Formats: sequence, C-alpha cells, structure tokens
Amino acid sequence: KNEVEQSPQNLTAQEGEFITINCSYSVGISALHWLQQHPGGGIVSLFMLSSGKKKHGRLIATINIQEKHSSLHITASHPRDSAVYICAVRYGAGSYQLTFGKGTKLSVIP
Amino acid sequence: DAGVIQSPRHEVTEMGQEVTLRCKPISGHNSLFWYRQTMMRGLELLIYFNNNVPIDDSGMPEDRFSAKMPNASFSTLKIQPSEPRDSAVYFCASSFLTGWGRRNTEAFFGQGTRLTVV
Repeated sequence: KNEVEQSPQNLTAQEGEFITINCSYSVGISALHWLQQHPGGGIVSLFMLSSGKKKHGRLIATINIQEKHSSLHITASHPRDSAVYICAVRYGAGSYQLTFGKGTKLSVIP
Repeated sequence: DAGVIQSPRHEVTEMGQEVTLRCKPISGHNSLFWYRQTMMRGLELLIYFNNNVPIDDSGMPEDRFSAKMPNASFSTLKIQPSEPRDSAVYFCASSFLTGWGRRNTEAFFGQGTRLTVV
C-alpha cells in the first residue's frame, strides 16, 4: 500500500523558532506537494518538487529521493504560520492521483 | 486569474434534499478533481476529470453522488438525496497535467464548500 507518513502530528512552537515538518513515502514518486490549510479551511499549495530544494520567503522544502523523504522548514516562525501542513505525493509521471498525509497541525505562540 | 472558485462556501440542508456544489477551475488547466475532507478520513479523491471527461470516479461513495463537467470552465458535484454522513468539506482543485510529467503544475484548490446535512 502506498502510504504517506507525516511527523509530528501536532507541533507547538514559540514565535521565532525554526520549524521542521517531515514527510516519508513508501515508493518512488513523480512529485511531492506541500499544502497549507488555515483554520477556516482553504488549501494553498506551497511547493511542488521532485528533487532538490525550493525556497519561498521563510519556507524551504527539501526532498531526498533515495531516502523517500521530504522536509518543510519554516524559519523565524510567526503566529500567522499556524495552520495544518499537508504532504501529498503523486506516484508516476502519468499519474493524476495525489496521496495525502494526515497533516501536521502547527501552532505558533507569540 | 482568480483561482479555483467554488460555490457555495457553506451549505446547510435537510436530509433527503438535493445538494449541488459548483466549481470553476483555473483557465487553461486540463484536470479537475473533487475531494472530500472529513476529520476521520482526511482528504479523499472523489472523481477526476481530464479534458472534461471523467477518468476515475472510483472514489464516489455511492450512486447518490454524481459529477459533471459540461465544459472546461465548469463542474458540478451533486448529492441526491443527501444524508447526514455526507457532511464534510468538499474541495475542487485544478491542475495542468500531462503524461510526461514535466509540464505538470501544482494543484490549485478552491476555498471549499462546507456541507452540513441535518
């Protein structure tokens, strides 16, 4: 069974802390997505990557294809970063299916 | 582009009533997805359209659920009759996907429709 595991499930941090959220998957993929869902429900795509590293503002996403692992880092965390972060993978270049992790709930305290 | 637009944002209906959820994908995208999100099961794919054609509807829970995409700019998800267990947030997402993968875009999600069936 193709699974996507995220850790931790819940994370509380003080404002300014460096945060890491991890995602592991079981078989080879064509792309990995990091999504952000705020209270109130909207889902925003943060990154799509298939190798290496991407950076956008204070957010950095890395992926290690050999280890089947990705990390989402947030530098200088802020209360507005509080959200659920979801990892999703697409298996195979021709695949349309996204398999989702269960999400990591992040709370950043002032 | 305004992004993926869903309507309504919230819907409260009585059991047995018909519910229609609407989605306008991003212009130029060839793939449209309907997802359902619940606390118990997280995000689940209901149906996937490519170039307006339903490709995979294996996630549609029952015959009470149906989806259409009459053109590239509009899709509906209908539940008839609705039941309390259908209460969830329903997301529409669109992407540009090719078989080669290299031109694939990210998945762009709408704001979701929060459905409550009482």
